[in-house]
Amino acid sequence: GAVVSQHPSWVICKSGTSVKIECRSLDFQATTMFWYRQFPKQSLMLMATSNEGSKATYEQGVEKDKFLINHASLTLSTLTVTSAHPEDSSFYICSARDSYSYNEQFFGPGTRLTVL
Amino acid sequence: GEDVEQSLFLSVREGDSSVINCTYTDSSSTYLYWYKQEPGAGLQLLTYIFSNMDMKQDQRLTVLLNKKDKHLSLRIADTQTGDSAIYFCAETGDRDDKIIFGKGTRLHILP
Repeated sequence: GAVVSQHPSWVICKSGTSVKIECRSLDFQATTMFWYRQFPKQSLMLMATSNEGSKATYEQGVEKDKFLINHASLTLSTLTVTSAHPEDSSFYICSARDSYSYNEQFFGPGTRLTVL
Repeated sequence: GEDVEQSLFLSVREGDSSVINCTYTDSSSTYLYWYKQEPGAGLQLLTYIFSNMDMKQDQRLTVLLNKKDKHLSLRIADTQTGDSAIYFCAETGDRDDKIIFGKGTRLHILP
């Protein structure tokens, strides 16, 4: 099946620093990638939809200047958490939609961010 | 608004069937999904059903959809220890590219 990877799998950073998380589709092209956030024992909340070559579409309540998304190629999207604060600590999961398979999103393994 | 509800916890004896229930509010959903999440991992799509179907079976998994009541269920036959995970019900809502997840049901297997 289709594989999506995320890097890093976990990161610890100091408050005020920026952290970049990569999401890659390994064996398929993904016109669209999605970024989710999951709090402990909570559901996944869609943060933004990332389309290759264009600006990301952010969900209501998500600060686009805080969570910078870049989808520069059909296999890579990055999420940068800028000036991270402890409340940004969470599990971030990306998913990618195969350009030829409209309905299915393939999920990455997630990145656990801890901000001290 | 769009909402997906499911019970948070289910305990089942090994070898028995597990039934995880879910209700949703958006009648315009095109697809309904069941995802599995093991500890510390991402989501794995188990199965999905089109909104114009009422049942789908895939090996040990049976999905039942009651569109009138907006009720979706996942039955896992012969539950094994490897089935221990959190199961998320999800729907596409009024946008086919946006998936709305429930809070997840933690399935605990008793020996």
